[in-house]
Amino acid sequence: AQTVTQSQPEMSVQEAETVTLSCTYDTSESDYYLFWYKQPPSRQMILVIRQEAYKQQNATENRFSVNFQKAAKSFSLKISDSQLGDAAMYFCAYRSAGSGYALNFGKGTSLLVTP
Amino acid sequence: EPEVTQTPSHQVTQMGQEVILRCVPISNHLYFYWYRQILGQKVEFLVSFYNNEISEKSEIFDDQFSVERPDGSNFTLKIRSTKLEDSAMYFCASRGQGPDTQYFGPGTRLTVL
Repeated sequence: AQTVTQSQPEMSVQEAETVTLSCTYDTSESDYYLFWYKQPPSRQMILVIRQEAYKQQNATENRFSVNFQKAAKSFSLKISDSQLGDAAMYFCAYRSAGSGYALNFGKGTSLLVTP
Repeated sequence: EPEVTQTPSHQVTQMGQEVILRCVPISNHLYFYWYRQILGQKVEFLVSFYNNEISEKSEIFDDQFSVERPDGSNFTLKIRSTKLEDSAMYFCASRGQGPDTQYFGPGTRLTVL
């Protein structure tokens, strides 16, 4: 089974600054998908960004971007110009490329944004 | 924008009772999922459902759990005889045929007393 590791239980960033959340994973597959989900205090799971493993280009969504290093099995999330509303739990997730496959989540990183 | 909905938002039950958690996936989606999150822990996969049958399930999804799509819109998770350790947030998610992204509902908080 694939393992997703988020080594930072908590991170803190000042408003308007940049922060990077790390994620590594273990897999023998060559085709898969990677995701970052945000979970605010409401506990709703909100998709932040996704990356297909076959794409070399790093995904970007507005202030959110990833650094996908396939050989190193690393998938970090960079949040630029941090805002107070970015404060949340962030989960990295892996999914095999086959149909119907489940998401395998890391334990999460709690991001605190200070004014 | 279409979204996944779940009812109830909070369910309190006594140990040993049966509960049914309900989800309405996004209307044109074909794959459906249940996940759970015990407070302070990571989100764990329970089961996936496609073409009216279970396509994958985890070790957590034992005989006490069942899923059903009773009509064209609802997707339910039943826990036959709840245990204290079933207390968790239960998330439903759905996915379309093309895009691989799973969209999550707001969750049902289950409290077993």
